[in-house]
Amino acid sequence: GEDVEQSLFLSVREGDSSVINCTYTDSSSTYLYWYKQEPGAGLQLLTYIFSNMDMKQDQRLTVLLNKKDKHLSLRIADTQTGDSAIYFCAEDIDTDKLIFGTGTRLQVFP
Amino acid sequence: DTGVSQDPRHKITKRGQNVTFRCDPISEHNRLYWYRQTLGQGPEFLTYFQNEAQLEKSRLLSDRFSAERPKGSFSTLEIQRTEQGDSAMYLCASSLGTGGSEQFFGPGTRLTVL
Repeated sequence: GEDVEQSLFLSVREGDSSVINCTYTDSSSTYLYWYKQEPGAGLQLLTYIFSNMDMKQDQRLTVLLNKKDKHLSLRIADTQTGDSAIYFCAEDIDTDKLIFGTGTRLQVFP
Repeated sequence: DTGVSQDPRHKITKRGQNVTFRCDPISEHNRLYWYRQTLGQGPEFLTYFQNEAQLEKSRLLSDRFSAERPKGSFSTLEIQRTEQGDSAMYLCASSLGTGGSEQFFGPGTRLTVL
């Protein structure tokens, strides 16, 4: 079945790196995504990775994909208080729909 | 603002009433998706359209739910005989529809069923 799992909470000090992890089950996914959701705001796409890649870097964001273990991670360098939000990983199913994880709440403290 | 818009943003209704939500996608996007998000969970796929054709419906979409996209532009989601378990955030997204194209999400309609 389709299932995407994430740890629920992560707390980091401002300036440190954050690593948010995700495991997924559908090996046929073409793309894997990271979305950010802030209170009262819609989902914002942060980055995505094609399934035949193992790493993608975009400014402070680094995505690592281990396709063998079906493990995806998002590293945020130099985490800022504005990064506090809920982060969702998602996989596409048949490039038609997204299956989201339960979300990881990132709290950044000074 | 040329993003995805949803109306209303909030809806409070009594159990048993019917409600209808509207989504206006980004104008050149031919795919439109509906998701539902309950507290503490990630969004769950409900259904999607390619132009005016409804191509897939999740098993979450009971027969009390119906979605339409009559002219391939805006879409409506109707819930008949609402139940307290229908209380959730209903999210709409649109995309160009090509492989891997980004889904742009609207702000959502928060439904509370009393």
